[in-house]
Amino acid sequence: DAGITQSPRHKVTETGTPVTLRCHQTENHRYMYWYRQDPGHGLRLIHYSYGVKDTDKGEVSDGYSVSRSKTEDFLLTLESATSSQTSVYFCAISESLAKVEKLFFGSGTQLSVL
Amino acid sequence: AQSVTQLDSQVPVFEEAPVELRCNYSSSVSVYLFWYVQYPNQGLQLLLKYLSGSTLVKGINGFEAEFNKSQTSFHLRKPSVHISDTAEYFCAVTSGGGYQKVTFGIGTKLQVIP
Repeated sequence: DAGITQSPRHKVTETGTPVTLRCHQTENHRYMYWYRQDPGHGLRLIHYSYGVKDTDKGEVSDGYSVSRSKTEDFLLTLESATSSQTSVYFCAISESLAKVEKLFFGSGTQLSVL
Repeated sequence: AQSVTQLDSQVPVFEEAPVELRCNYSSSVSVYLFWYVQYPNQGLQLLLKYLSGSTLVKGINGFEAEFNKSQTSFHLRKPSVHISDTAEYFCAVTSGGGYQKVTFGIGTKLQVIP
């Protein structure tokens, strides 16, 4: 299994509070991604990173920010959590954009915003 | 723009029976197609992929899929399912350009009945 650790695994928070989710990899892969998974929507890309301090928006980036200060860590921040951000969040990594089949996922973070 | 449609949200099937999970895609250019499997409380794992060449692709755990360009389909099949195949299955498509352009379907939950 690819070395991807997401923390926390579960979190319950209140509307309006800031939340940070962490993705840590031990594979030294250049590309990292944050997805959210919701019933009826599948997986949707929030943000991705193509290197240290290099990030870009995905399909559903509103209300989220990211940071990548080290190759191994990719942080997702909800500045002011809303109930619509209750979801399961997955981090993924890839070695190369060209190797489209080599996308590895973490085990997910279940976030509940009350 | 690209999109993928998984026609069945849930598929119940008896153990040792065959199963087909349907996936249709739309894209104006050549595509790469994937099936991922998600077991409970885990991230997604690549089941199989079509990049080019033979239209019949074989994956792990006895699954296979056939790329049909004329019908824009990429259905997943297994001749005899096991209890351990109970999971959610996601079809995904990309026309290249990296993972930020991968589009996932909404998922099909396969329930294998003993």
